[in-house]
Amino acid sequence: AQSVSQHNHHVILSEAASLELGCNYSYGGTVNLFWYVQYPGQHLQLLLKYFSGDPLVKGIKGFEAEFIKSKFSFNLRKPSVQWSDTAEYFCAVNVGSARQLTFGSGTQLTVLP
Amino acid sequence: KAGVTQTPRYLIKTRGQQVTLSCSPISGHRSVSWYQQTPGQGLQFLFEYFSETQRNKGNFPGRFSGRQFSNSRSEMNVSTLELGDSALYLCASSSERGGSETQYFGPGTRLLVL
Repeated sequence: AQSVSQHNHHVILSEAASLELGCNYSYGGTVNLFWYVQYPGQHLQLLLKYFSGDPLVKGIKGFEAEFIKSKFSFNLRKPSVQWSDTAEYFCAVNVGSARQLTFGSGTQLTVLP
Repeated sequence: KAGVTQTPRYLIKTRGQQVTLSCSPISGHRSVSWYQQTPGQGLQFLFEYFSETQRNKGNFPGRFSGRQFSNSRSEMNVSTLELGDSALYLCASSSERGGSETQYFGPGTRLLVL
């Protein structure tokens, strides 16, 4: 069975700082990778996803992620965070055509104004 | 398009009772998945339904069950509630095209078991 690790449980940054959140998965085959965000009081929503092609994927709100197959990683990045990026971020993976998402434990990001 | 809707939004039950939660997917979506979110265990997959059939099931006891109707609406049921069942239950819908399709999540039903 696949698993997902998010290394940072809580990250605190000042506005305009750069962000990188780590995500590693364990599964030897083909995976689909996702980053979801949960803003306070709101639904989980998709930031970006990777399933094939260019390993550098761009998502909403200036976020991007790079899939590095050799490292089983899918780290999320943003060059300059804003206060409104304060939220919990979840990395998730599924395998093939299965819709069962396996989530990481989440990273709480707090951006100080 | 309207998003995924879940009812009720909040629910308080006592141990031993049973509960039914409802989910209406985005129009045209035929796949509905359920997840449990708790502070201790995070987000965990319960099961997925497609065209009224359970296609996949997570590692939860048989007290957790679900079904899907012909209009793709889904319900999940938890019988003989335990304190540990207190959680946010999320429903997600997606099209049938494949695993890479985005799952769209609803607001969740927050269940408190006393």
